[in-house]
Amino acid sequence: AQSVTQLGSHVSVSEGALVLLRCNYSSSVPPYLFWYVQYPNQGLQLLLKYTSAATLVKGINGFEAEFKKSETSFHLTKPSAHMSDAAEYFCAVSDPRTYKYIFGTGTRLKVLA
Amino acid sequence: ETGVTQTPRHLVMGMTNKKSLKCEQHLGHNAMYWYKQSAKKPLELMFVYSLEERVENNSVPSRFSPECPNSSHLFLHLHTLQPEDSALYLCASSQDARAGDEQFFGPGTRLTVL
Repeated sequence: AQSVTQLGSHVSVSEGALVLLRCNYSSSVPPYLFWYVQYPNQGLQLLLKYTSAATLVKGINGFEAEFKKSETSFHLTKPSAHMSDAAEYFCAVSDPRTYKYIFGTGTRLKVLA
Repeated sequence: ETGVTQTPRHLVMGMTNKKSLKCEQHLGHNAMYWYKQSAKKPLELMFVYSLEERVENNSVPSRFSPECPNSSHLFLHLHTLQPEDSALYLCASSQDARAGDEQFFGPGTRLTVL
């Protein structure tokens, strides 16, 4: 069975500071991994995905994530936070044999001026 | 309209009411999904349709009844709901029901059951 854990339901950073949102997964097979962002009153939007190509994945809005098999992690980073990054971020894992996503509980990012 | 749209955006209903949620995708996708998003819980996959056939029914109570009349439209019919069914209901679509396909989400319907 697959699962995903997001450490920290709330993260606060200052504008211009590094953003680090943590995601650890459990999977019996090499997984597909995703980060989605949800702005208030909107649906989820794909930030980036890992599908067994390069381990460092670049996404939209300056975000990137690194797949580390040894640590079963797929943490999301951005070098410099912007006020517009305030949102909820969801990590998801998918078994490459199915279309099903398993989502984490989400991390709400707050950016302080 | 572009992307995935959902109507209504907000719905308040009593436990004895019958209502329907509507989802429409303008992306030419073949797969559509219903998710339930409750506070402090992971998104729960409810139903999946691929080429208008239901391929997933994730142990959802029968008071939720999906309908997919064509590949662009998806409905969720609601009847005799419980207060614990209050949540944000998200519709999504993808090119196919296939591993790795990006899912495109609508803005959701915020449902409150009194």
